[in-house]
Amino acid sequence: ETGVTQSPTHLIKTRGQQVTLRCSSQSGHNTVSWYQQALGQGPQFIFQYYREEENGRGNFPPRFSGLQFPNYSSELNVNALELDDSALYLCASSLGDRRNYGYTFGSGTRLTVV
Amino acid sequence: AQSVTQPDIHITVSEGASLELRCNYSYGATPYLFWYVQSPGQGLQLLLKYFSGDTLVQGIKGFEAEFKRSQSSFNLRKPSVHWSDAAEYFCAVGARTGANNLFFGTGTRLTVIP
Repeated sequence: ETGVTQSPTHLIKTRGQQVTLRCSSQSGHNTVSWYQQALGQGPQFIFQYYREEENGRGNFPPRFSGLQFPNYSSELNVNALELDDSALYLCASSLGDRRNYGYTFGSGTRLTVV
Repeated sequence: AQSVTQPDIHITVSEGASLELRCNYSYGATPYLFWYVQSPGQGLQLLLKYFSGDTLVQGIKGFEAEFKRSQSSFNLRKPSVHWSDAAEYFCAVGARTGANNLFFGTGTRLTVIP
């Protein structure tokens, strides 16, 4: 059973650029959630995808967008990068069973915006 | 509004000593409660969770947590800390209905000294 895989592990972007982060969910999981973890903070919910549809969104602007593919992998896209977007981005997959919150987290992508 | 408070930013304990990490939450109704651990450069690993029933919950790695409804608290404990327990610990809450995203506290960093 594979876990959650995120790519890339690190990247550096310039303010104003666009970035795409990728996540492969754990085998059998059909739900993917994305979280942003700024330095010294706890993770904050960005959005969740369930069966290719957005299934909830946190307090993030529209320049944060996502996709989920038929194989349940997912992308997080951020347009017009700002310095404050520098953070660890965590992907978590689950079975979409709300009661269990059975998240499996990936190791994250460290994004630095300069 | 939901909030999770971890009042201790950093705790240092000696190896073999007992540990208690504090967590208080503010929520409309009793939420689901979680403790996660994050080692440097890693994602989040679930230590334990409380849904209902016995208010003393046992988790992995010898950790336990006690839910106290009257105090809106869910403190994490370990009777004897090992050097490998050094990490960042996050308390989180999740709703019993509706969206299944988690709200995290800001974390407590644990340092273990020999």
